Amino acid sequence: DAKTTQPNSMESNEEEPVHLPCNHSTISGTDYIHWYRQLPSQGPEYVIHGLTSNVNNRMASLAIAEDRKSSTLILHRATLRDAAVYYCILRDRSGANNLFFGTGTRLTVIP
Amino acid sequence: GAGVSQTPSNKVTEKGKYVELRCDPISGHTALYWYRQSLGQGPEFLIYFQGTGAADDSGLPNDRFFAVRPEGSVSTLKIQRTERGDSAVYLCASSPGDRGLGELFFGEGSRLTVL
Repeated sequence: DAKTTQPNSMESNEEEPVHLPCNHSTISGTDYIHWYRQLPSQGPEYVIHGLTSNVNNRMASLAIAEDRKSSTLILHRATLRDAAVYYCILRDRSGANNLFFGTGTRLTVIP
Repeated sequence: GAGVSQTPSNKVTEKGKYVELRCDPISGHTALYWYRQSLGQGPEFLIYFQGTGAADDSGLPNDRFFAVRPEGSVSTLKIQRTERGDSAVYLCASSPGDRGLGELFFGEGSRLTVL
């Protein structure tokens, strides 16, 4: 499985935008980029996914570099409830149906 | 809503004992996954079921770990002769089964402590 690299931790002030980076230089053409987050004492929850084009949903936006070797998860206005560990995961559309998590980025939101 | 349900939420056992952890997936979801998560780490894949069969059990650490899903719905993760290193949160997830893209829905996990 292709590897992703994320910063261990980030901080953001409440009500400000947050950009969470992810590097995936060995991504293959059939890999989708998925993001999950895990709030304290909960299981992970799906955030967003994309292939080549930027994606938006009610939770976040996903900006994908033109060469697909990196991506950025954007939270437009961080709230205290967004404090979580964010995981960037590559998932082959033609391969196994499971996810391989790394250690993610721990986001701290400062009131 | 009817999400993924895991029982027990907490289990404390002694080294050498047998443990069963149960997962009730979302109704109609054909794919079911087990992960375990140690403190400070991301979830680690254990096994994946498509229907009743284990499609990928490559993550099971050794033969003390076994999982079943006899009717294609509820699954049980079984750990024999528990060791202190088995202490972790065991997470279950289900998905509709869309190959490669389906969102995984996770339960809140079962925290296992082996004394």
